[in-house]
Amino acid sequence: GENVEQHPSTLSVQEGDSAVIKCTYSDSASNYFPWYKQELGKRPQLIIDIRSNVGEKKDQRIAVTLNKTAKHFSLHITETQPEDSAVYFCAASLTGNQFYFGTGTSLTVIP
Amino acid sequence: NAGVMQNPRHLVRRRGQEARLRCSPMKGHSHVYWYRQLPEEGLKFMVYLQKENIIDESGMPKERFSAEFPKEGPSILRIQQVVRGDSAAYFCASSPGGLPETQYFGPGTRLLVL
Repeated sequence: GENVEQHPSTLSVQEGDSAVIKCTYSDSASNYFPWYKQELGKRPQLIIDIRSNVGEKKDQRIAVTLNKTAKHFSLHITETQPEDSAVYFCAASLTGNQFYFGTGTSLTVIP
Repeated sequence: NAGVMQNPRHLVRRRGQEARLRCSPMKGHSHVYWYRQLPEEGLKFMVYLQKENIIDESGMPKERFSAEFPKEGPSILRIQQVVRGDSAAYFCASSPGGLPETQYFGPGTRLLVL
């Protein structure tokens, strides 16, 4: 099955700086890569996703890049704000149904 | 348009009791997924269901766990004879179908086994 690794496990940045979270996956057949944000005690919420036929996708301060050759994808958050503090999970899917999640990155934005 | 609903939000059971977790998908969604999240860990896939069918249960423990999604009513995740190690947050997600499927998560049920 698919194996997703996520780094770093914790990340602290100053408000206004950028944050980058990286994930690698093992199965080259994976074709869908969503990112979820989970605030403490709350549900995971989809923030951005990318499909394997696209190399980069951007939505305001959030962008995701995908390198299919290297089998890794990254989340980029620019101009970070305190409300960006949360746990972020990447996931990979090769069937389109079953998601394999990374272990999460706890992001803290320091005001 | 209501999102994915789960109840109860918190459930306390003693060892050996049964736990029933319910999930109502978003309106128009016919696909349901269950995940388990242990403290400070990621989400682990358990089972994927469509109406009246289990499509993929490769993540379900072989014993004590079962899931259903009847024609009418919510999806149910059932844990029999709970043990302390079952304590976790259980999330369900739903999607409308089509591949790949964007999944929308419910608020979760936090199960505590005493």
